[in-house]
Amino acid sequence: QKEVEQDPGPLSVPEGAIVSLNCTYSNSAFQYFMWYRQYSRKGPELLMYTYSSGNKEDGRFTAQVDKSSKYISLFIRDSQPSDSATYLCAMSGVSGGYQKVTFGIGTKLQVIP
Amino acid sequence: SAVISQKPSRDICQRGTSLTIQCQVDSQVTMMFWYRQQPGQSLTLIATANQGSEATYESGFVIDKFPISRPNLTFSTLTVSNMSPEDSSIYLCSARQGTSGYTFGSGTRLTVV
Repeated sequence: QKEVEQDPGPLSVPEGAIVSLNCTYSNSAFQYFMWYRQYSRKGPELLMYTYSSGNKEDGRFTAQVDKSSKYISLFIRDSQPSDSATYLCAMSGVSGGYQKVTFGIGTKLQVIP
Repeated sequence: SAVISQKPSRDICQRGTSLTIQCQVDSQVTMMFWYRQQPGQSLTLIATANQGSEATYESGFVIDKFPISRPNLTFSTLTVSNMSPEDSSIYLCSARQGTSGYTFGSGTRLTVV
């Protein structure tokens, strides 16, 4: 079993839809949870960074963490064609004495005008 | 969060040669990280580079193949040595500043022919 599971998609939605992206994880040591957006031929861009269970909102983006279920989500409201990208979840925790980040495989999202 | 400049953005190299990738951070960071991103796979950590000490390599990656330098708190290089077509991938550097999330360079797309 992978430490982080993420559906690679692709996921196609019409413009204006609410998008829900999810990851599950198995390692209870994960403390920090992140979502990245990666456009084609670009490096990952940090979108959201959370520490505790609950919701964090930033504009059209909401990150949700449920540590009891080992489940994290990213919601995108009023999706735009410019949101078309690959979204990677990432989690970090202490491993071998230092912080280590583990990434999901990424979900490819296409928002259709 | 830190801004990372990575170069080259892409290169096509002959097998058996070496390529050095550079990353410059706009602020001092303690730890820098080097990743490989292959199609259909999640980001894989190659090594962690601390200033003033040997890099720490992940399982499956060795210093002779991927030597890393970290001469100061704002700069690091990764060399891909004695390249083969299997080394064709995207290579990314990353850094974390304070308690914020991890930021990435724009990536180096390497093709070995």
